[in-house]
Amino acid sequence: AQSVAQPEDQVNVAEGNPLTVKCTYSVSGNPYLFWYVQYPNRGLQFLLKYITGDNLVKGSYGFEAEFNKSQTSFHLKKPSALVSDSALYFCAVRDRNSGNTPLVFGKGTRLSVIA
Amino acid sequence: EAQVTQNPRYLITVTGKKLTVTCSQNMNHEYMSWYRQDPGLGLRQIYYSMNVEVTDKGDVPEGYKVSRKEKRNFPLILESPSPNQTSLYFCASRSGQPNTEAFFGQGTRLTVV
Repeated sequence: AQSVAQPEDQVNVAEGNPLTVKCTYSVSGNPYLFWYVQYPNRGLQFLLKYITGDNLVKGSYGFEAEFNKSQTSFHLKKPSALVSDSALYFCAVRDRNSGNTPLVFGKGTRLSVIA
Repeated sequence: EAQVTQNPRYLITVTGKKLTVTCSQNMNHEYMSWYRQDPGLGLRQIYYSMNVEVTDKGDVPEGYKVSRKEKRNFPLILESPSPNQTSLYFCASRSGQPNTEAFFGQGTRLTVV
């Protein structure tokens, strides 16, 4: 079975500081990993994904994530946070060896960037 | 513009009154799905469809129906809504390849009283 854990319900960071939103996953095979962001009263927007290759993935709005197979993690990072980054962030996983199985989401982490 | 369109955005209804939430995508995607989002529970999949006339249950299908008569549309039907179906609902679509990202609609906030 697939699962995703986002251990922090809330992350607070000062504007201009680096941010990290944590994600760990569990799949029986190798994963496809995704990050989405949800702004208030909006649907989820795709940020970035890991499919294969380079473990450091760069995405939209200056975000990046690092795939770490030994730690089964895919933490989202940004070098310098903006107030406009405040939103709800979701990590998601699909086992690439399980065909077209549904995407499994974490419970979300609310990021608050303080000016 | 590539998009997934859901209607209505907001809906208040009474227990037992059948309702349909529509979902349409303009990207010719094979795969469509419905999720509900509840505080502390994240997104849970209700139903999904891998192509026309092919649908399957997700994690929380009880109380819901779907149909996929056309590739672009994937309506969610609540035959007899109950208060525990009060939630925020999202429709999503993607191509048939499992390594592709999903596109989400803007959500439908449903309240059942």
